[in-house]
Amino acid sequence: QVQLVQSGAEVKKPGASVKVSCKASGYTFTSYGISWVRQAPGQGLEWMGWISAYNGNTNYAQKLQGRVTMTTDTSTSTAYMELRSLRSDDTAVYYCARDSPEGITIFGVVIAPFDYWGQGTLVTVSS
Amino acid sequence: DIQMTQSPSSLSASVGDRVTITCRASQGISNYLAWYQQKPGKVPKLLIYAASTLQSGVPSRFSGSGSGTDFTLTISSLQPEDVATYYCQKYNSAPPIFTFGPGTKVDIK
Repeated sequence: QVQLVQSGAEVKKPGASVKVSCKASGYTFTSYGISWVRQAPGQGLEWMGWISAYNGNTNYAQKLQGRVTMTTDTSTSTAYMELRSLRSDDTAVYYCARDSPEGITIFGVVIAPFDYWGQGTLVTVSS
Repeated sequence: DIQMTQSPSSLSASVGDRVTITCRASQGISNYLAWYQQKPGKVPKLLIYAASTLQSGVPSRFSGSGSGTDFTLTISSLQPEDVATYYCQKYNSAPPIFTFGPGTKVDIK
């Protein structure tokens, strides 16, 4: 069965960086894109960015451009999200999520909603 | 960028009631709209994609409709296990931008 297993909770100081991992199993990793979504305490879902596990192409939310990097390691079927220059308002639960097979293709890119999610990783930014 | 809005922001209804949540896109997105359910303390779950297609395993009391800019999620007979926050999400663009709506919290009266 499809599983996305994320790394454990992190506590970071303002200005530091954090790197969260998301290990996939139960499917062909390179066949689906991965998005990262975060949720601040008591708030809604915020999409952070997307990476193609096939070719590593990325697209990041405009507000995070320059602070976020998403990568994959196809040898271990793992996706990574690194966020730099952390601020207190980056405190949130961070989720990875897989593209569903029920997508559309635009300019050769498959765009799809998210059918499987990781369990979430709490990142706390505090001095 | 296309913005997503939802109404109401919260609602309280009785068991068995019909519940309707509205999602609006600031520009037309055809039917590239998904709905998610997030129960308290849990991971979001995909309910509906392509505006009206039920994800496998989702109870048939859930339905979706709409196209262009206006969409609805309907729960035909609210159950206690439906207490959750519901989010819409658009997925119509390349490069991919998956904007979520702000959410609608559903409680039992």
